[in-house]
Amino acid sequence: NAGVTQTPKFQVLKTGQSMTLQCAQDMNHNSMYWYRQDPGMGLRLIYYSASEGTTDKGEVPNGYNVSRLNKREFSLRLESAAPSQTSVYFCASSGTPESTDTQYFGPGTRLTVL
Amino acid sequence: SQKIEQNSEALNIQEGKTATLTCNYTNYSPAYLQWYRQDPGRGPVFLLLIRENEKEKRKERLKVTFDTTLKQSLFHITASQPADSATYLCALDMDTGRRALTFGSGTRLQVQP
Repeated sequence: NAGVTQTPKFQVLKTGQSMTLQCAQDMNHNSMYWYRQDPGMGLRLIYYSASEGTTDKGEVPNGYNVSRLNKREFSLRLESAAPSQTSVYFCASSGTPESTDTQYFGPGTRLTVL
Repeated sequence: SQKIEQNSEALNIQEGKTATLTCNYTNYSPAYLQWYRQDPGRGPVFLLLIRENEKEKRKERLKVTFDTTLKQSLFHITASQPADSATYLCALDMDTGRRALTFGSGTRLQVQP
């Protein structure tokens, strides 16, 4: 039981390049989330998916897109990376769409945009 | 506006003492509050959840209180150990219209041997 996995662990991009961050969970959770974490800012929600087939914007969605590929997988895409998107990105999942209960986090992706 | 406040300054204590971390929130009455631990370079890990009708919750050396009148939660670690050194985050459902948690920025705890 791997929990929440994320790939890649590290990535360096040039301004304007695109990339997709991958996330998968094996806990049969309905809800999945993408956060970014910057020094002194805490975790900020980018997008979430309350259940398979749905996605919604979070606090800081600009510059990102997401895809809930199936119940297990939730990807985050940067179409044209900017230095302001340099951050640590965390994926998380939780059990039910009816309540915001305990979240399980992946190990994170450290992204640098030059 | 709604927000969660945690002391941004690191808390330094001696091994064996009780560490107390604070989480304050404004303009909302959450149904529950959660605490997470985050080690450097790792994702947050869930520790405890306390509901609005619970005054106190314990798990081993951890204790959380929830005062909905003061809009405050206190997180205590008794008999602290150097291994307890980490950043501790509180999280709430902040009635943003999104079915998702809002996290505080966390307080770093350093336990000196």
